[in-house]
Amino acid sequence: DAGVTQSPTHLIKTRGQHVTLRCSPISGHKSVSWYQQVLGQGPQFIFQYYEKEERGRGNFPDRFSARQFPNYSSELNVNALLLGDSALYLCASSLEGQGFEKLFFGSGTQLSVL
Amino acid sequence: GQSLEQPSEVTAVEGAIVQINCTYQTSGFYGLSWYQQHDGGAPTFLSYNALDGLEETGRFSSFLSRSDSYGYLLLQELQMKDSASYFCAVRDPQAAGNKLTFGGGTRVLVKP
Repeated sequence: DAGVTQSPTHLIKTRGQHVTLRCSPISGHKSVSWYQQVLGQGPQFIFQYYEKEERGRGNFPDRFSARQFPNYSSELNVNALLLGDSALYLCASSLEGQGFEKLFFGSGTQLSVL
Repeated sequence: GQSLEQPSEVTAVEGAIVQINCTYQTSGFYGLSWYQQHDGGAPTFLSYNALDGLEETGRFSSFLSRSDSYGYLLLQELQMKDSASYFCAVRDPQAAGNKLTFGGGTRVLVKP
């Protein structure tokens, strides 16, 4: 079975641009979460979606938005990119998205903002 | 809020035992998870402790003391492939869903 897939794997943008990152969860998983990981730090929670509804939002500005589609795939959008947005963006899926669940992570999208 | 502290780096030789400590300060607590991440790779789940005590999974074990707000991951019979970063994480009980707060990670370097 395929794991969590993310695209693209690498992306280079300039300040002020917009970016869309995509994630396909493991088949049967209904919850998708997004995390930002700056080099040398732990992942930081951005969003969680379950059944197309936003279930949680981390401490990120409104430039960050996301959505989940009927097939449970998800997009993360970042507007007006800043240099500080350079990071690895990880998508994680789980079955129901609540309580204790193992998170299954994709390998991420490495975003560089120049 | 939630905060977790773990050492930034540990170096050991093949065959040795490494203990990675994690102390946490949380407004509520359900359990402590551990994830492994190789350079350039995805974090992968290792273990979860909700109750006090030791959980063993092969060469890896995880321990929790809720009264001390402390846990550790024990890596035994170290192999070169264990060189990776290890993160402890807690679920935020005040958040809906299963939001995890991660520690800063411990980089384990295994030498021959």
